[in-house]
Amino acid sequence: DARVTQTPRHKVTEMGQEVTMRCQPILGHNTVFWYRQTMMQGLELLAYFRNRAPLDDSGMPKDRFSAEMPDATLATLKIQPSEPRDSAVYFCASVLAGGSYEQYFGPGTRLTVT
Amino acid sequence: GQNIDQPTEMTATEGAIVQINCTYQTSGFNGLFWYQQHAGEAPTFLSYNVLDGLEEKGRFSSFLSRSKGYSYLLLKELQMKDSASYLCAVDKIIFGKGTRLHILP
Repeated sequence: DARVTQTPRHKVTEMGQEVTMRCQPILGHNTVFWYRQTMMQGLELLAYFRNRAPLDDSGMPKDRFSAEMPDATLATLKIQPSEPRDSAVYFCASVLAGGSYEQYFGPGTRLTVT
Repeated sequence: GQNIDQPTEMTATEGAIVQINCTYQTSGFNGLFWYQQHAGEAPTFLSYNVLDGLEEKGRFSSFLSRSKGYSYLLLKELQMKDSASYLCAVDKIIFGKGTRLHILP
């Protein structure tokens, strides 16, 4: 069955290292979201793309975070350099804009920065 | 500014009905969304409201009043598996902190 996939599922890294998270949206979905979830802040939108073009990345710290969609089947979120405050679960989600409103989330990447 | 408020926790009994409220302050939006999230898992989409009124989907219903800045999620015939957090969101962009629902046998 169709689902959003994310890799890696878990990542532990040291402060200052680069982290790359990948997402494969559901085939045919043209809108992709990146979210971050922490106990303190809850679920926050970092960025989203439609037809591979960034529509909103205002939730993303620009100095260290970058999000791209190299093609329709891959979205990436990079953090360079990583900091302990970036520790969170990062979710990718996709939806077909103009179709059902139903949005599908990937399983998340749990990032720990020490 | 944009802000969404939900109760932090609620408790209900198996078989009963529970209503989870959500109030928001935002200047304009397309849709109000509800998600369910079990501990350690990703959120799953439950329902959305574009127009004012009640949308029913099996045991779950969601209501929206734009003039009052208010929505609620109604869960009927509660089951133990409904123990989860329920998130209210505006346009999939601004999320509330979630309401943790505990179901007692």
